[in-house]
Amino acid sequence: KNQVEQSPQSLIILEGKNCTLQCNYTVSPFSNLRWYKQDTGRGPVSLTIMTFSENTKSNGRYTATLDADTKQSSLHITASQLSDSASYICVVSANFGNEKLTFGTGTRLTIIP
Amino acid sequence: DVKVTQSSRYLVKRTGEKVFLECVQDMDHENMFWYRQDPGLGLRLIYFSYDVKMKEKGDIPEGYSVSREKKERFSLILESASTNQTSMYLCASSFPGRNTQYFGPGTRLTVL
Repeated sequence: KNQVEQSPQSLIILEGKNCTLQCNYTVSPFSNLRWYKQDTGRGPVSLTIMTFSENTKSNGRYTATLDADTKQSSLHITASQLSDSASYICVVSANFGNEKLTFGTGTRLTIIP
Repeated sequence: DVKVTQSSRYLVKRTGEKVFLECVQDMDHENMFWYRQDPGLGLRLIYFSYDVKMKEKGDIPEGYSVSREKKERFSLILESASTNQTSMYLCASSFPGRNTQYFGPGTRLTVL
Protein backbone atom coordinates (compact mmCIF):
# COMPACT_ATOMS: atom_id res chain seq x y z
CA LYS A 1 0.00 0.00 0.00
CA ASN A 2 1.31 3.44 -0.94
CA GLN A 3 1.98 5.55 2.13
CA VAL A 4 3.55 8.87 3.04
CA GLU A 5 4.59 9.55 6.62
CA GLN A 6 5.65 12.92 7.95
CA SER A 7 7.42 13.96 11.12
CA PRO A 8 7.11 15.70 13.41
CA GLN A 9 3.32 16.09 13.57
CA SER A 10 3.78 19.56 14.98
CA LEU A 11 6.65 21.94 15.61
CA ILE A 12 7.01 25.28 17.37
CA ILE A 13 10.08 27.44 16.77
CA LEU A 14 11.15 31.01 17.39
CA GLU A 15 11.05 33.51 14.56
CA GLY A 16 14.39 33.66 12.75
CA LYS A 17 15.35 30.06 13.54
CA ASN A 18 15.76 27.28 10.98
CA CYS A 19 13.86 24.02 10.94
CA THR A 20 13.65 20.77 8.98
CA LEU A 21 10.56 18.70 8.26
CA GLN A 22 10.77 15.04 7.28
CA CYS A 23 8.87 12.87 4.83
CA ASN A 24 9.22 9.10 4.29
CA TYR A 25 7.33 7.34 1.54
CA THR A 26 6.65 3.86 0.23
CA VAL A 27 5.00 4.89 -3.05
CA SER A 28 6.02 2.75 -6.00
CA PRO A 29 6.81 3.21 -8.83
CA PHE A 30 7.91 6.70 -7.87
CA SER A 31 7.22 9.61 -10.21
CA ASN A 32 7.71 12.82 -8.25
CA LEU A 33 7.44 14.39 -4.81
CA ARG A 34 5.96 17.72 -3.87
CA TRP A 35 5.84 19.84 -0.79
CA TYR A 36 2.70 21.91 -0.31
CA LYS A 37 2.09 24.73 2.17
CA GLN A 38 -1.41 25.06 3.59
CA ASP A 39 -2.33 28.13 5.57
CA THR A 40 -5.13 27.72 8.11
CA GLY A 41 -8.51 27.65 6.38
CA ARG A 42 -6.99 27.72 2.89
CA GLY A 43 -6.20 25.22 0.17
CA PRO A 44 -2.67 23.80 -0.25
CA VAL A 45 -0.20 25.66 -2.47
CA SER A 46 2.71 23.91 -4.18
CA LEU A 47 6.20 24.91 -2.93
CA THR A 48 8.52 22.52 -4.76
CA ILE A 49 8.42 19.48 -7.00
CA MET A 50 11.24 16.95 -7.44
CA THR A 51 11.61 14.03 -9.79
CA PHE A 52 13.69 10.90 -9.30
CA SER A 53 16.88 12.47 -10.62
CA GLU A 54 16.76 15.62 -8.49
CA ASN A 55 18.43 15.72 -5.07
CA THR A 56 17.65 19.25 -4.02
CA LYS A 57 15.46 22.15 -5.05
CA SER A 58 15.06 25.60 -3.54
CA ASN A 59 12.23 28.11 -3.51
CA GLY A 60 13.38 31.19 -1.64
CA ARG A 61 13.93 30.24 2.00
CA TYR A 62 12.54 26.74 1.38
CA THR A 63 14.92 23.96 0.33
CA ALA A 64 13.69 20.46 -0.36
CA THR A 65 15.92 17.40 -0.60
CA LEU A 66 15.18 13.96 -1.98
CA ASP A 67 16.94 10.65 -1.45
CA ALA A 68 15.22 8.22 -3.80
CA ASP A 69 17.29 5.30 -2.51
CA THR A 70 16.09 5.63 1.08
CA LYS A 71 12.73 7.09 -0.01
CA GLN A 72 13.12 10.13 2.19
CA SER A 73 12.62 13.83 1.65
CA SER A 74 13.11 16.86 3.85
CA LEU A 75 11.98 20.45 3.72
CA HIS A 76 14.36 22.95 5.30
CA ILE A 77 13.11 26.43 6.17
CA THR A 78 15.77 29.07 6.72
CA ALA A 79 15.37 32.20 8.86
CA SER A 80 11.73 31.46 9.65
CA GLN A 81 9.12 34.20 9.53
CA LEU A 82 5.71 34.47 11.19
CA SER A 83 4.11 33.91 7.79
CA ASP A 84 5.70 30.46 7.65
CA SER A 85 3.18 29.28 10.24
CA ALA A 86 1.16 26.70 8.32
CA SER A 87 0.81 22.99 7.66
CA TYR A 88 3.36 21.48 5.29
CA ILE A 89 2.19 18.49 3.32
CA CYS A 90 4.39 16.00 1.49
CA VAL A 91 2.71 14.54 -1.61
CA VAL A 92 4.07 11.69 -3.71
CA SER A 93 2.94 10.72 -7.20
CA ALA A 94 3.13 7.16 -8.49
CA ASN A 95 3.96 6.62 -12.13
CA PHE A 96 0.75 4.96 -13.18
CA GLY A 97 0.05 7.31 -16.06
CA ASN A 98 -2.68 9.05 -14.13
CA GLU A 99 -2.81 11.75 -11.52
CA LYS A 100 -3.13 9.62 -8.40
CA LEU A 101 -1.40 11.28 -5.47
CA THR A 102 -0.61 10.00 -1.99
CA PHE A 103 -0.73 12.68 0.69
CA GLY A 104 1.03 12.80 4.02
CA THR A 105 -0.90 14.03 7.03
CA GLY A 106 1.28 17.11 7.29
CA THR A 107 3.46 18.89 9.84
CA ARG A 108 1.84 21.80 11.66
CA LEU A 109 4.52 24.50 12.01
CA THR A 110 4.05 27.44 14.37
CA ILE A 111 6.46 30.35 14.40
CA ILE A 112 6.41 32.43 17.57
CA PRO A 113 7.87 35.95 17.87
CA ASP B 1 -2.48 32.76 -12.18
CA VAL B 2 -4.62 29.69 -11.84
CA LYS B 3 -7.78 30.32 -9.94
CA VAL B 4 -9.94 27.63 -8.41
CA THR B 5 -13.01 28.87 -6.58
CA GLN B 6 -15.47 27.04 -4.39
CA SER B 7 -19.04 28.19 -3.86
CA SER B 8 -18.95 28.44 -0.07
CA ARG B 9 -16.26 28.78 2.58
CA TYR B 10 -18.53 27.56 5.37
CA LEU B 11 -21.70 25.51 5.19
CA VAL B 12 -23.98 24.11 7.89
CA LYS B 13 -26.55 21.48 6.95
CA ARG B 14 -28.85 19.06 8.74
CA THR B 15 -28.70 15.28 8.57
CA GLY B 16 -30.58 13.99 5.54
CA GLU B 17 -30.32 17.19 3.51
CA LYS B 18 -29.02 17.15 -0.06
CA VAL B 19 -25.84 19.21 -0.34
CA PHE B 20 -24.19 20.66 -3.43
CA LEU B 21 -20.60 21.85 -3.40
CA GLU B 22 -19.52 23.73 -6.50
CA CYS B 23 -16.02 24.19 -7.88
CA VAL B 24 -15.00 26.37 -10.82
CA GLN B 25 -11.55 26.72 -12.41
CA ASP B 26 -10.53 29.32 -14.95
CA MET B 27 -7.44 27.70 -16.52
CA ASP B 28 -9.08 25.31 -18.98
CA HIS B 29 -7.81 22.31 -17.01
CA GLU B 30 -9.08 18.93 -18.14
CA ASN B 31 -8.62 17.27 -14.75
CA MET B 32 -10.64 18.11 -11.67
CA PHE B 33 -10.68 16.48 -8.24
CA TRP B 34 -12.65 16.45 -5.00
CA TYR B 35 -10.91 15.66 -1.71
CA ARG B 36 -11.90 15.71 1.91
CA GLN B 37 -9.42 16.61 4.62
CA ASP B 38 -9.76 15.41 8.19
CA PRO B 39 -7.34 15.83 11.11
CA GLY B 40 -4.78 13.04 11.24
CA LEU B 41 -5.94 11.53 7.94
CA GLY B 42 -4.59 13.93 5.34
CA LEU B 43 -6.34 14.52 2.04
CA ARG B 44 -8.41 11.65 0.68
CA LEU B 45 -9.65 11.52 -2.90
CA ILE B 46 -13.42 11.24 -3.28
CA TYR B 47 -13.94 11.54 -7.05
CA PHE B 48 -12.08 12.88 -10.04
CA SER B 49 -12.83 13.72 -13.65
CA TYR B 50 -10.63 13.75 -16.74
CA ASP B 51 -13.16 15.33 -19.05
CA VAL B 52 -16.66 16.69 -19.36
CA LYS B 53 -19.32 14.15 -18.35
CA MET B 54 -16.59 11.77 -17.25
CA LYS B 55 -16.04 10.70 -13.63
CA GLU B 56 -13.96 8.17 -11.74
CA LYS B 57 -14.26 6.99 -8.16
CA GLY B 58 -11.45 7.86 -5.82
CA ASP B 59 -10.59 6.17 -2.55
CA ILE B 60 -13.71 7.11 -0.57
CA PRO B 61 -16.66 7.64 -2.95
CA GLU B 62 -19.37 6.16 -0.72
CA GLY B 63 -22.10 8.65 0.09
CA TYR B 64 -21.02 11.07 -2.66
CA SER B 65 -21.71 11.66 -6.32
CA VAL B 66 -20.34 14.20 -8.80
CA SER B 67 -21.37 16.05 -11.92
CA ARG B 68 -19.28 17.61 -14.64
CA GLU B 69 -21.49 19.16 -17.31
CA LYS B 70 -18.99 21.86 -18.29
CA LYS B 71 -15.20 21.74 -18.44
CA GLU B 72 -14.70 24.48 -15.88
CA ARG B 73 -17.20 23.25 -13.30
CA PHE B 74 -17.13 20.15 -11.08
CA SER B 75 -19.84 19.59 -8.50
CA LEU B 76 -19.80 17.31 -5.47
CA ILE B 77 -23.18 16.08 -4.25
CA LEU B 78 -24.08 14.60 -0.90
CA GLU B 79 -27.45 12.94 -1.58
CA SER B 80 -28.33 12.60 2.10
CA ALA B 81 -25.84 14.30 4.38
CA SER B 82 -24.69 12.48 7.49
CA THR B 83 -22.72 13.68 10.50
CA ASN B 84 -19.65 11.66 9.45
CA GLN B 85 -19.45 13.83 6.33
CA THR B 86 -18.56 16.84 8.46
CA SER B 87 -15.19 17.80 7.01
CA MET B 88 -13.14 20.25 4.96
CA TYR B 89 -13.77 19.69 1.24
CA LEU B 90 -11.11 20.73 -1.25
CA CYS B 91 -11.41 20.95 -5.01
CA ALA B 92 -8.37 20.85 -7.29
CA SER B 93 -7.62 21.00 -11.00
CA SER B 94 -4.68 20.24 -13.27
CA PHE B 95 -3.61 19.67 -16.85
CA PRO B 96 -3.31 16.02 -17.90
CA GLY B 97 0.19 14.62 -17.56
CA ARG B 98 1.24 17.43 -15.23
CA ASN B 99 0.29 16.44 -11.78
CA THR B 100 0.72 19.77 -10.07
CA GLN B 101 -2.78 20.23 -8.76
CA TYR B 102 -4.10 23.68 -7.97
CA PHE B 103 -6.42 23.79 -5.00
CA GLY B 104 -9.41 25.92 -4.15
CA PRO B 105 -9.78 27.57 -0.72
CA GLY B 106 -11.92 24.75 0.65
CA THR B 107 -15.43 24.45 2.04
CA ARG B 108 -15.82 23.58 5.68
CA LEU B 109 -19.04 21.59 5.90
CA THR B 110 -20.73 20.86 9.21
CA VAL B 111 -23.61 18.37 9.28
CA LEU B 112 -25.74 18.56 12.41
